[in-house]
Amino acid sequence: EAQVTQNPRYLITVTGKKLTVTCSQNMNHEYMSWYRQDPGLGLRQIYYSMNVEVTDKGDVPEGYKVSRKEKRNFPLILESPSPNQTSLYFCASSPRLGWGYTFGSGTRLTVV
Amino acid sequence: GEDVEQSLFLSVREGDSSVINCTYTDSSSTYLYWYKQEPGAGLQLLTYIFSNMDMKQDQRLTVLLNKKDKHLSLRIADTQTGDSAIYFCAETLYNQGGKLIFGQGTELSVKP
Repeated sequence: EAQVTQNPRYLITVTGKKLTVTCSQNMNHEYMSWYRQDPGLGLRQIYYSMNVEVTDKGDVPEGYKVSRKEKRNFPLILESPSPNQTSLYFCASSPRLGWGYTFGSGTRLTVV
Repeated sequence: GEDVEQSLFLSVREGDSSVINCTYTDSSSTYLYWYKQEPGAGLQLLTYIFSNMDMKQDQRLTVLLNKKDKHLSLRIADTQTGDSAIYFCAETLYNQGGKLIFGQGTELSVKP
């Protein structure tokens, strides 16, 4: 089944403890992206990647890192999480820029 | 600037038609999308329309695009209780890395 898989689905962590949210797609898509969803603010792009080893900042990149060493994987790294990063995170992929995004099921992160 | 606006709530009776409206600002958008989000789930791509089209029909879904007014609508015929969800309108900004700009989402409530 064609899909975008995020792990974990739920995570509660403490301030400052590094964490990684994984994202993997099995559709050979070139384009991948991370979004966060917050009440009243909607969905905002964090980072995106147009291909392997090509990443760029979205609207809210502060406090996040990404890497794209392989086409299928696009992990989101929080080096020192803070409570304002408590949010619902979505990974998305598409075969080419701006077309047919498939979203993962989301990761609900709580930083205490 | 970039902005996508939707009304926040819509309530209909089962069997009626639902119409969800959206306005966008970027006239260079080529693809416009409708996504559905059920509670606790990710974003499901419902349908899309190219900017050179006025209308697209896909089973119970009809998308209308008025490019002059930058207005997009989604009509759901014979609305069912299973259609209750949040519906997001989104446009793609090619000049900004192909990111999706989402509206705030319209919560559709279908009463039996």
